[in-house]
Amino acid sequence: AQRVTQPEKLLSVFKGAPVELKCNYSYSGSPELFWYVQYSRQRLQLLLRHISRESIKGFTADLNKGETSFHLKKPFAQEEDSAMYYCALAGGSEKLVFGKGTKLTVNP
Amino acid sequence: DAGVTQSPTHLIKTRGQQVTLRCSPKSGHDTVSWYQQALGQGPQFIFQYYEEEERQRGNFPDRFSGHQFPNYSSELNVNALLLGDSALYLCASSATGDYGYTFGSGTRLTVV
Repeated sequence: AQRVTQPEKLLSVFKGAPVELKCNYSYSGSPELFWYVQYSRQRLQLLLRHISRESIKGFTADLNKGETSFHLKKPFAQEEDSAMYYCALAGGSEKLVFGKGTKLTVNP
Repeated sequence: DAGVTQSPTHLIKTRGQQVTLRCSPKSGHDTVSWYQQALGQGPQFIFQYYEEEERQRGNFPDRFSGHQFPNYSSELNVNALLLGDSALYLCASSATGDYGYTFGSGTRLTVV
C-alpha cells in the first residue's frame, strides 16, 4: 500500500530561521514524490517534485530512499511561507496519494 | 488560461439527495482526478478519468460516480448523500502520465 506520513500537524518558526517539514512514505517501488502548497484562500498548487531537483521559492527537498523520506527544507523562512504544505506520492498507479498536511506559521 | 474551473463553489444538500459537481480541466490537459478533502485532512483520491473512462478508483462506495466528456471536462455524482459526505471536493487535471496536477478551487459540499 502507498502511504504518506507528515508527522507534524503544526509547525511554527520565526522569520529567518531554518525550516524543515517532514515527510515519510511507504512504497516498495520507485516513487515520485511531490510537495504541494496551499496559501490562505488560494488553491492547492505544486511547489516542487523530486525528479526536477529544482529549488522553488528557496525550498528544496531530497528523496532519501534508505529512510523513505522526502523532507522539505528552507534555510531562512519568510512570513510569506506561512501555508499548508502537503507531501504527495505517485507510486506507479494513476493516483497521487497525499499526506494529511503540515500547517507552517512563520512568525515575525 | 483560466486553469481548472469547478462549479458550483458552494452547495448545500439534504441527506438522501443527489448532487453533481462539474470540472473543466486546464487547456492541454486530458486527465481529470477527483479528490475529497475533509476538514483537517489531506485530499483523498476518489477516481481518475482519462479518454472518457474511469482509470482508477479510490476507496469510495459506488454512490460516487463520474463521467468524462469528449472535451475532457468531467462530472462527479454522489447519490444518497450522507452527512459524512460534507467536504471540499477538488478536481485536478494533468497531461497523460504527469503527476504535476493543477487543482481547481474546489466545491464545498454541505449535507444537512
